[in-house]
Amino acid sequence: DAGVTQTPRHEVAEKGQTIILKCEPVSGHNDLFWYRQTKIQGLELLSYFRSKSLMEDGGAFKDRFKAEMLNSSFSTLKIQPTEPKDSAVYLCASSPVQNTGQLYFGEGSKLTVL
Amino acid sequence: GEKVEQHESTLSVREGDSAVINCTYTDTASSYFPWYKQEAGKSLHFVIDIRSNVDRKQSQRLTVLLDKKAKRFSLHITATQPEDSAIYFCAASHYAQGLTFGLGTRVSVFP
Repeated sequence: DAGVTQTPRHEVAEKGQTIILKCEPVSGHNDLFWYRQTKIQGLELLSYFRSKSLMEDGGAFKDRFKAEMLNSSFSTLKIQPTEPKDSAVYLCASSPVQNTGQLYFGEGSKLTVL
Repeated sequence: GEKVEQHESTLSVREGDSAVINCTYTDTASSYFPWYKQEAGKSLHFVIDIRSNVDRKQSQRLTVLLDKKAKRFSLHITATQPEDSAIYFCAASHYAQGLTFGLGTRVSVFP
């Protein structure tokens, strides 16, 4: 069984650019999550989808961050425009059970904004 | 919203000894408490969880305790081994909500 796949693994962007990160969840999973991981803030929830419907949208991230789930097997996270403080690892995770089940994390996309 | 505090940022343990990581949460509605492990350079993977209908759960060398009254839960690792060295994250959530994570505890097992 394929795990959660995230692309690209590394991205370098100039301040003000638009970047799109991609995620393919485990086949058959209903829930999909985007998290941002930094050493200072730890893991912060950006978005949570259940069966493609947006359930939770991290309040602090609404203005420049937009996650979409175009179909049950593909999600994107767009950051527009990027700022240096967006430099972090972006993690996608999926879960087979309604929310209170084990999350399967991807390897992450490391974003550096210059 | 929920806030999870992980009390130990680092833990150094002699191989074979036990390690305990403590977390507290704020939302009394939280009912699910998983733990994740992140090894150097890798992503998180699930290790064990506990739901609010029980106060103890054991899986091999791992035990999770939950004290709902104190809004506290803990991970106990017995007979630690070098491969237990990693960052451990506690988390909490309730239905229809994403997990809120603690900041992590770096566990180092030395010989």
